[in-house]
Amino acid sequence: ETGVTQSPTHLIKTRGQQVTLRCSSQSGHNTVSWYQQALGQGPQFIFQYYREEENGRGNFPPRFSGLQFPNYSSELNVNALELDDSALYLCASSQGLAGGYEQYFGPGTRLTVT
Amino acid sequence: AQTVTQSQPEMSVQEAETVTLSCTYDTSESDYYLFWYKQPPSRQMILVIRQEAYKQQNATENRFSVNFQKAAKSFSLKISDSQLGDAAMYFCAYRTPTVNQAGTALIFGKGTTLSVSS
Repeated sequence: ETGVTQSPTHLIKTRGQQVTLRCSSQSGHNTVSWYQQALGQGPQFIFQYYREEENGRGNFPPRFSGLQFPNYSSELNVNALELDDSALYLCASSQGLAGGYEQYFGPGTRLTVT
Repeated sequence: AQTVTQSQPEMSVQEAETVTLSCTYDTSESDYYLFWYKQPPSRQMILVIRQEAYKQQNATENRFSVNFQKAAKSFSLKISDSQLGDAAMYFCAYRTPTVNQAGTALIFGKGTTLSVSS
C-alpha cells in the first residue's frame, strides 16, 4: 500500500511568484487536508477537500486555493507569494470526512520564499 | 473555536525513564477526538495514540498511554521506557467528529520537543 506522497520536496520561489504543490493520497482515501507548518510551530489548517469539493477552510486568504482530482490527488496553489509563506506544507489523506478517520500525513514540501 | 495548548516547549528524558507531556484544550463540544502525533526530524507526522472523548478508559499503545481528564480538558501523554527513537517533536491535536466550517480539520498545539539521552 502506497502512502501519501508530496512533490516537490523542496522549492525556492521569489516574492510575488506563484507556486503549485502536489499531493497523492493513500489508496482508498477520498479526503485530503492541507496544513501549513511554520518553523518550530504546529501545523495550521488551510483547507480540506472531499470528493473533489472544498469542504472546509481555515483562516487563510483567497490567494491560497486548491483542487482535488477524480483520483483524489490534490494540488495547493499559492499566488502572489509573500515572505511569510515560507513554511513546510503538509497534506494528509483519510478514508472519509468524519473525525474518527485517521489522517495520514505526507512528508511535506518545504517552501522558501525569498 | 477550539484551541489546543502545549505549555512545555521542550522536555528531556533519559533512556528507560518515563516522561509526561502536557496538553490542555478548550471546546464547547461534548464529543470529539484527541490525538498525539510525533514528528521526527525527518518531518513525517505519525499518529502515536488517539482518544475518543466518549470513552472514559484512557487509551494505551504499547509504551504510550494517555491521561484523559475530560472535565479538566486535559490530555497528557506518558512515554514509558523511553528510547532514543522517541526523540521528536510531539503535537497534541483536537478534531471534531462531524463537519463544520473547518471541515473536520485537526487543530494542533505548538508542540513539545522531546530529547532523549543515553
